[in-house]
Amino acid sequence: GAVVSQHPSRVICKSGTSVKIECRSLDFQATTMFWYRQFPKQSLMLMATSNEGSKATYEQGVEKDKFLINHASLTLSTLTVTSAHPEDSSFYICSASGRQGVQPQHFGDGTRLSIL
Amino acid sequence: KQEVTQIPAALSVPEGENLVLNCSFTDSAIYNLQWFRQDPGKGLTSLLLIQSSQREQTSGRLNASLDKSSGRSTLYIAASQPGDSATYLCAVSYSGGGADGLTFGKGTHLIIQP
Repeated sequence: GAVVSQHPSRVICKSGTSVKIECRSLDFQATTMFWYRQFPKQSLMLMATSNEGSKATYEQGVEKDKFLINHASLTLSTLTVTSAHPEDSSFYICSASGRQGVQPQHFGDGTRLSIL
Repeated sequence: KQEVTQIPAALSVPEGENLVLNCSFTDSAIYNLQWFRQDPGKGLTSLLLIQSSQREQTSGRLNASLDKSSGRSTLYIAASQPGDSATYLCAVSYSGGGADGLTFGKGTHLIIQP
C-alpha cells in the first residue's frame, strides 16, 4: 500500500528556532499534500493544502509567513515553523493524495514538536 | 463551517463486549467518510472508508455504517480486545479526487479492560 514517511518524529528545541518537517510519499506521486495540527485532546485541524509546483493554500487563522510550506517535487513537501514559540508546540501530521485522487488519504506518523 | 462530532468522548468496557462509536456531521453533502485509529503519540491508521453512495463497510470485527441524509455514521466493534484500545477518529471529505483536506472529529478514546 501507499506509504507516507514523515521526519523527524520528535523535535525539542528552544524558542526562536526554526524547525523543518519533511513529508515524503515513498511509493506514489503525491500531487497534493496536506498539513494538519493536533493539540492535546483536540481534533486534527487542517492547516494548509500543498500542491506540487504551486503556492500552498492556508486555512483561515494559519499564518503563512510563520508556517512555510514547500512542495517542490511530487514526493516531498516540507513544513517549516519559523521562529517557533511554546504555543507552537503541537503534533504535526501530513497526508498525501495521488494524481488520480487516491482515497483514502495516506498519513505520515506525525511529528511531536516541543518548544521550550 | 462543517463540524464533526463524536460521541462518546471516552469509553471503557470489559474485553469481549460489542460496542458502538458515533459520529455526526453538520453538512450532509459529503463525498466520503473515514474511520481512523490513532495510538498515543502516533499517526493515523485508516480502518474503513465509506463512499457517500454506500451504506456500510466491513473489515473483520469492524463495521461502519453511514446515513448521509441524517448526517450520522457509526463504527461497530465486535468482540472487543485489549488491543483495540486507542482513539478512534471520524473524518469526512467534501470533495472527490483528494483535492481537499479532511474534517475530523475530536475522537473517542477507547479503553478495553482485560
